[in-house]
Amino acid sequence: GQNIDQPTEMTATEGAIVQINCTYQTSGFNGLFWYQQHAGEAPTFLSYNVLDGLEEKGRFSSFLSRSKGYSYLLLKELQMKDSASYLCAFQDSNYQLIWGAGTKLIIKP
Amino acid sequence: EPEVTQTPSHQVTQMGQEVILRCVPISNHLYFYWYRQILGQKVEFLVSFYNNEISEKSEIFDDQFSVERPDGSNFTLKIRSTKLEDSAMYFCASSAGTQAELANSPLHFGNGTRLTVT
Repeated sequence: GQNIDQPTEMTATEGAIVQINCTYQTSGFNGLFWYQQHAGEAPTFLSYNVLDGLEEKGRFSSFLSRSKGYSYLLLKELQMKDSASYLCAFQDSNYQLIWGAGTKLIIKP
Repeated sequence: EPEVTQTPSHQVTQMGQEVILRCVPISNHLYFYWYRQILGQKVEFLVSFYNNEISEKSEIFDDQFSVERPDGSNFTLKIRSTKLEDSAMYFCASSAGTQAELANSPLHFGNGTRLTVT
């Protein structure tokens, strides 16, 4: 079957670094996406990984290990505006996105 | 940057009424989707649409739901007889200019329509 899991909530301090983990199980895999969603708004695309390794994009980086079914999103130099839910989703063999429930990130001053 | 646009932003309707939610996907995209998100819950897939037909649909997408691409730009979701539990945020999304791009093409979401059924 297919499954995807991420922590429900995390808290971090402004200026710090936080890592949000995501684990998944699937027989067919065509990449993993991270989205940011502010309350009441649409998800916005952050990153895409299909090969193992780290993809860096400014303050945000995303890592993938296909053999372990594991990804993480790393946020550096946290700002208050980074308070949001972070959704991980993998693309299955039919290119269908399977979504995690999201991790609510709370940033404290 | 091109955007997916959705109208209306908020729709209030009475139980049993029909609603049509409208979306204009990004113009060169070929794959279209509807998702919903009940307040505080995860994003749920409803349906995907390609080449003027439904390519995938979820268990949520029952006979009360239908989608249509009535012209070259609009993509609509119709709920025939709304129920209280249909109250949610409905997101339209589009992706991929070509089938070859599908594997590496993130979904671009509209801002959503908040549907409230009373």
